Amino acid sequence: DAGVIQSPRHEVTEMGQEVTLRCKPISGHNSLFWYRQTMMRGLELLIYFNNNVPIDDSGMPEDRFSAKMPNASFSTLKIQPSEPRDSAVYFCASSLARREMNTEAFFGQGTRLTVV
Amino acid sequence: SQQGEEDPQALSIQEGENATMNCSYKTSINNLQWYRQNSGRGLVHLILIRSNEREKHSGRLRVTLDTSKKSSSLLITASRAADTASYFCATRRSGYSTLTFGKGTMLLVSP
Repeated sequence: DAGVIQSPRHEVTEMGQEVTLRCKPISGHNSLFWYRQTMMRGLELLIYFNNNVPIDDSGMPEDRFSAKMPNASFSTLKIQPSEPRDSAVYFCASSLARREMNTEAFFGQGTRLTVV
Repeated sequence: SQQGEEDPQALSIQEGENATMNCSYKTSINNLQWYRQNSGRGLVHLILIRSNEREKHSGRLRVTLDTSKKSSSLLITASRAADTASYFCATRRSGYSTLTFGKGTMLLVSP
C-alpha cells in the first residue's frame, strides 16, 4: 500500500479564495482524521470520521471549515473563504479502529497551506 | 487543549549518547503512543504502550509508562545523527477514539 496520500503537497492562495485539500486513506482503514499543525498550537485535531461518518468535529475552527468523506477511500477538507491565519500544515491520518482501541495512526505527508 | 506535554522542548546531544524525552498527560488513558516527525514530513508511529503496561522495548527505543504520575518517557539508546527529528507523545483517552498530541521535543544528534 502507498500509505495515506494527500494532495496537493503545497498550496499558496490569496485570502478569500476557496481551498480544497484531499486525502486518500489506507485501504481497509475505517477511521480518518484531519489534523492541523502550527508552531504556536502544535498538532490540533480538526475532525474524525469513522466508517465515513463524522464523529467528532469539535476541533473545526469555524464555519469556514468543512470536511466530507463521500466514501471509504476519499476525504476532503475545504476552507472557504481562506484567511492568512489558516496558514499551516494540514495532515490526514487513517487507522483501523478496533474495539480495544490499541491501534496506531498512519499519517500522510501533509499539505502546506500558505494564505497570502 | 493539549493532553500530552513533552519535556524538554529541545534536546541536543552527540552521537552515541542516550536521549530521554518525557511526556505528561492529564486524564486517564487507554494507551500512549510515540511518533517521530522528520522536518517537512508526516508523523511516523514508533511505539504504543497500553495503560496496563509499564515498559516496552523496540530496537533502540525504550518506553516507560507511570499511570499514577500520568507520565511516560522515551529513551533512545546509542543515538545516531539519523535520529534527528521531532518526537511527539499522543494519548488515547479512555472511551475516546481520537489521539491527542503534545507539542513535541526537537532532538538534534550531532555527529
